[in-house]
Amino acid sequence: AQSVTQLDSQVPVFEEAPVELRCNYSSSVSVYLFWYVQYPNQGLQLLLKYLSGSTLVESINGFEAEFNKSQTSFHLRKPSVHISDTAEYFCAVSNNNNDMRFGAGTRLTVKP
Amino acid sequence: DAGITQSPRYKITETGRQVTLMCHQTWSHSYMFWYRQDLGHGLRLIYYSAAADITDKGEVPDGYVVSRSKTENFPLTLESATRSQTSVYFCASGGDRAGQPQHFGDGTRLSIL
Repeated sequence: AQSVTQLDSQVPVFEEAPVELRCNYSSSVSVYLFWYVQYPNQGLQLLLKYLSGSTLVESINGFEAEFNKSQTSFHLRKPSVHISDTAEYFCAVSNNNNDMRFGAGTRLTVKP
Repeated sequence: DAGITQSPRYKITETGRQVTLMCHQTWSHSYMFWYRQDLGHGLRLIYYSAAADITDKGEVPDGYVVSRSKTENFPLTLESATRSQTSVYFCASGGDRAGQPQHFGDGTRLSIL
């Protein structure tokens, strides 16, 4: 089965600084990749996904992620973060067989 | 409003008791999922359903039972609760691709004493 490793459990950053949340996956077949965001006491929300085509995918709130097949990575980036971006971020991988696997999560804390 | 509603939001019970967590969606999505979230593990799939009357096991199904008599409802039952089932449970739904939840409920925090 596929698996996901989120390399940082916590990432503190100052407001307006750039951020990168790292995600690596392993799978023996083609995969689909996802980033979800979870705000306190809420469920997860789909942030962006890679299914096929362009390896760079973007969300509506300024995040982007790039699928790198050779490095088996799908890192999430934002050039300038806001206080409101403080949340837990989950990377997930699926091979379309009803078996989506999530990483353990990265807690992003944006400080003023 | 369209969305997913989970109930209860919080539940405390004792070992050995049966408890049912409810999930209702208004999207008319064909797929529904139950996950548990534990610190350090992310989310793990318990059961999923591809349509009414079709359910299947996920990664951690032991100790849980599901049913789906109607498309919009997907209850999760712990038949004899154990302390290891203390967790936050999330229901999710999705319509376009298998195994890919699009919308999550706000979760049920379950404590088993």
